[in-house]
Amino acid sequence: SQQGEEDPQALSIQEGENATMNCSYKTSINNLQWYRQNSGRGLVHLILIRSNEREKHSGRLRVTLDTSKKSSSLLITASRAADTASYFCATDVRGGTSYGKLTFGQGTILTVHP
Amino acid sequence: NAGVMQNPRHLVRRRGQEARLRCSPMKGHSHVYWYRQLPEEGLKFMVYLQKENIIDESGMPKERFSAEFPKEGPSILRIQQVVRGDSAAYFCASSPHGGGLNTGELFFGEGSRLTVL
Repeated sequence: SQQGEEDPQALSIQEGENATMNCSYKTSINNLQWYRQNSGRGLVHLILIRSNEREKHSGRLRVTLDTSKKSSSLLITASRAADTASYFCATDVRGGTSYGKLTFGQGTILTVHP
Repeated sequence: NAGVMQNPRHLVRRRGQEARLRCSPMKGHSHVYWYRQLPEEGLKFMVYLQKENIIDESGMPKERFSAEFPKEGPSILRIQQVVRGDSAAYFCASSPHGGGLNTGELFFGEGSRLTVL
């Protein structure tokens, strides 16, 4: 599997439900970030969690990080139709020249039905 | 406060032509990154530049691709003699400071979508 691999590849839910996306990675990281991409648009940063953090909240978003399992999850609570987008995790790999060289997964396509 | 500006948003080229993609970072940002996104895939790092310097081009194909970030003006990603496999969305991102050993949030532009006929 690749560094920063999301699961599931696609998720379809009803408005008001919670959406959970998972990300696994292979190497040690400085931090892990989640981005959102609407169709045909650029990426928007959602949240960053550092390697020494276990959980972080931002509005309706909750991110967890388990460095022992090399995995992270993104929870969107009380989803809205406007949350429909692709969600990517990106890892900042520890060591070497990690100058903005984020490693992105292939993303989870979230569809929220009104 | 304008975000990262990329142009053109869409570019069509025939095989063998040249493609030039431009990126103006956010105001106050001196670090620029280029990423490529193939259809249905995540972004792949290409190159990291500061003003007048290429810091890391480890993700850049060895041939036909070049990037610059001159003292004045936008960053340019240049693809010579394009082939169909170059068709992709090319995203530019900027940050106010370099990653060093810890990359923070990147601010992305809307992307330039290159189609090679």
